[in-house]
Amino acid sequence: AQKVTQAQTEISVVEKEDVTLDCVYETRDTTYYLFWYKQPPSGELVFLIRRNSFDEQNEISGRYSWNFQKSTSSFNFTITASQVVDSAVYFCALRERGSNSGYALNFGKGTSLLVTP
Amino acid sequence: EPEVTQTPSHQVTQMGQEVILRCVPISNHLYFYWYRQILGQKVEFLVSFYNNEISEKSEIFDDQFSVERPDGSNFTLKIRSTKLEDSAMYFCASSPGAGATGANVLTFGAGSRLTVL
Repeated sequence: AQKVTQAQTEISVVEKEDVTLDCVYETRDTTYYLFWYKQPPSGELVFLIRRNSFDEQNEISGRYSWNFQKSTSSFNFTITASQVVDSAVYFCALRERGSNSGYALNFGKGTSLLVTP
Repeated sequence: EPEVTQTPSHQVTQMGQEVILRCVPISNHLYFYWYRQILGQKVEFLVSFYNNEISEKSEIFDDQFSVERPDGSNFTLKIRSTKLEDSAMYFCASSPGAGATGANVLTFGAGSRLTVL
C-alpha cells in the first residue's frame, strides 16, 4: 500500500501564479518525519524541509510554505509567485519511527511542476 | 557546503556484467544509503548502512546487490550480474547520527545513471 500519495502527477502554471502540491501520508506510528525534496531537470535531489509529527506549526521560507495537518494526514507544499526556476519534480517522503534504524525514506511518486513564462 | 559525491555519473554496461557504483558521503555522517529511481518513477529505498553493517534493506536489494565501506570515506554499491531492469539512476545519501543537528535529514548525491544493454 502506498504510504505517501501525491495525487497530482503533473501541474502546469504560468509564472507568478501560486501553486499547491498535495501530499497525503499513511502511518500507524505516533512519531514520524515528513520531508519534501526537489528534483530539478539536472536530476539531483535537493532537501527542502523536514517536519516531525509533534510539530504541526506551519512553516514559511521565502516563497515556500508548508501546511502540516495531522487530522487529515496531509503535508502540502505551496509555492507563492512561482518562477520558471521552480520547474522540477517535487517528492514528498515519510520516515517512520518503526524503521529499525537508518532513517530510510518512503517517497511518493512525485509531482512534476512546470512553470512557464 | 558539504556534499555527497558519486562516481561515475553515467555507466553503460552489458547485461550480466558486474558494476560498482561509488559514493563519498559527508565526512561526519554516520548513516549511508542507496536509493534508485527508474526513469520517470519514484525514488525507491534499497539499503541503509550503519556501523559497518546493513541496518535496513528493501525487497529490491536481493542477493545480486551488496554494499561495502572499504575505507573511511567510500561507500560502494555492487551489482553482481546486471539485468536490463537494473537500468536506473542510483542515488547515494548520508545523514548524521541520532541527536546530531540535521538528524533524519538525508543529503543526496547527484546520482549515477546506470544503463544496462
